[in-house]
Amino acid sequence: KQEVTQIPAALSVPEGENLVLNCSFTDSAIYNLQWFRQDPGKGLTSLLLIQSSQREQTSGRLNASLDKSSGRSTLYIAASQPGDSATYLCAVRETTNAGKSTFGDGTTLTVKP
Amino acid sequence: DGGITQSPKYLFRKEGQNVTLSCEQNLNHDAMYWYRQDPGQGLRLIYYSQIVNDFQKGDIAEGYSVSREKKESFPLTVTSAQKNPTAFYLCASSMDRGSNQPQHFGDGTRLSIL
Repeated sequence: KQEVTQIPAALSVPEGENLVLNCSFTDSAIYNLQWFRQDPGKGLTSLLLIQSSQREQTSGRLNASLDKSSGRSTLYIAASQPGDSATYLCAVRETTNAGKSTFGDGTTLTVKP
Repeated sequence: DGGITQSPKYLFRKEGQNVTLSCEQNLNHDAMYWYRQDPGQGLRLIYYSQIVNDFQKGDIAEGYSVSREKKESFPLTVTSAQKNPTAFYLCASSMDRGSNQPQHFGDGTRLSIL
């Protein structure tokens, strides 16, 4: 059974700092890995999608990497801003079970002005 | 604009009552999913549907039921058999079950017990 772990569970940084969020998964039989942002009481906003054949994806200040063989992904946020404060979730889409996604529990990020 | 609409945003259930959460998408997606999120946790899959008139149980289907009579609609019923229904419910869709397509999410329904 696929398990997804996100470390740390919570992170607090001063504004302007670069930071890395970690995601690990136990079964490398995946189609893709997706990073989401969730604001309190809200739904999920997709940030980046990395296909299993890709190594990384970039969008603005965000860069996500994928090492499928080791079961790891990182989300790098450059020059963090208070508006980046949210919970960040990673999800892997499995090649079995009709492509369902398994989620980590998230990392709650607070960026202090 | 294309997207996923969930309603209501907040829902309250009395003891012994069944309640239905609505999920509608105009993205022309084949696959639809229902997830449950508890505080401080990730999402767990309740049910999913790959095509009209077909659906499969996810990891925590007990106490829930679904239907998929139309491509754009995938309602979730929380039955009285679900003893701990208080949670945030998220509906998602994707172009097909394969894969390299991203999942799109609605804004969620928060269900509480009266």
